[in-house]
Amino acid sequence: KNEVEQSPQNLTAQEGEFITINCSYSVGISALHWLQQHPGGGIVSLFMLSSGKKKHGRLIATINIQEKHSSLHITASHPRDSAVYICAVVQGGSEKLVFGKGTKLTVNP
Amino acid sequence: EPEVTQTPSHQVTQMGQEVILRCVPISNHLYFYWYRQILGQKVEFLVSFYNNEISEKSEIFDDQFSVERPDGSNFTLKIRSTKLEDSAMYFCATVLAGSSYNEQFFGPGTRLTVL
Repeated sequence: KNEVEQSPQNLTAQEGEFITINCSYSVGISALHWLQQHPGGGIVSLFMLSSGKKKHGRLIATINIQEKHSSLHITASHPRDSAVYICAVVQGGSEKLVFGKGTKLTVNP
Repeated sequence: EPEVTQTPSHQVTQMGQEVILRCVPISNHLYFYWYRQILGQKVEFLVSFYNNEISEKSEIFDDQFSVERPDGSNFTLKIRSTKLEDSAMYFCATVLAGSSYNEQFFGPGTRLTVL
């Protein structure tokens, strides 16, 4: 069983739609990261969360530690948001990131 | 804006050869990581490095792998005798001093192809 599960695996949306990507994890964590991987392969850190909610522009990330669940929301989606979004957790007592398989988002104009 | 850089961007090598992948961290960052991503698979942790020594490594990081900071700026990953299954994208990431739980800044990656 994967320690970090993301859903959906693939998501296609029309420009302007509200997007939600979910992440569930089965281990105790110190922090959770949301990352964006571009088609060329580069990875950009979007958020690092240990509790509550964070907002940056059109992106919102939330985490529920008790339920071991996090969501990434994109408001007013745009074709340039098309990328793979990856959830990764820092296991308690460890420094390593454990990654989910990613959600491939395609936003059509 | 400061960024992590990696060289080369693409390395092609023959099986059994040694390769060295290089990373230049952001200045003042003190925690360093190597990750790999085999094509079509998820990103995997290889090793973390702090204060000139390995702080944690995965089961993937066997005796064929080594890391060092040879000159106080570059951070290198060496694979002594490459195997076909080492073909992957290798990412370096760095974190500002203070905590390994802070935002990680990723380099653009090195695509390693082992023939």
